[in-house]
Amino acid sequence: GDSVTQMEGPVTLSEEAFLTINCTYTATGYPSLFWYVQYPGEGLQLLLKATKADDKGSNKGFEATYRKETTSFHLEKGSVQVSDSAVYFCALRINAGGTSYGKLTFGQGTILTVHP
Amino acid sequence: DTEVTQTPKHLVMGMTNKKSLKCEQHMGHRAMYWYKQKAKKPPELMFVYSYEKLSINESVPSRFSPECPNSSLLNLHLHALQPEDSALYLCASSQGGQSLREQLNEQFFGPGTRLTVL
Repeated sequence: GDSVTQMEGPVTLSEEAFLTINCTYTATGYPSLFWYVQYPGEGLQLLLKATKADDKGSNKGFEATYRKETTSFHLEKGSVQVSDSAVYFCALRINAGGTSYGKLTFGQGTILTVHP
Repeated sequence: DTEVTQTPKHLVMGMTNKKSLKCEQHMGHRAMYWYKQKAKKPPELMFVYSYEKLSINESVPSRFSPECPNSSLLNLHLHALQPEDSALYLCASSQGGQSLREQLNEQFFGPGTRLTVL
């Protein structure tokens, strides 16, 4: 079945450090890939997405490139801020037909804490 | 308006109570979703409505009863819940549709209802 694997957290960084959160996937079809962020006490917000191989999604200084050859969608940011502290979920969505109906499959989430 | 709203924000209920969670969106989306999220875990899909019809039920116990009165509203009726049902309940919506492109577009999530069952 389809699955998403994220690097285990938690991740603790100092402000202005470089961030990488690894995400790899397995899928039987051609997925769209997403990064969602969840700030404390809130719902999920879409951070960025990519719908086909070699696409790069970017938003708020975060970037991720859809790598079909390595089945990866790693999240990066050059200089993190305290306000980036949150839980980050990698997810894929695939049209497998029938009852799957574009179901979102999430990774386990990575807790990021950024210290001043 | 690119927002999904949910009410109430917090809910405490006993095991014999009946309550409802509400979700609303005005983006013209035709697919709406209920998720359950336990602490430090990813959301788990419960139900999907497509064009106001129940499309997916992920083997959810019958004490959870979804309802989609119209294309903008989604309810989740709760009855005889258990303490282990305490969680954050998230509503989401997406454009929906028949084409592959439409089905793969992103879901927009609401802020959730924090439910505590005593």
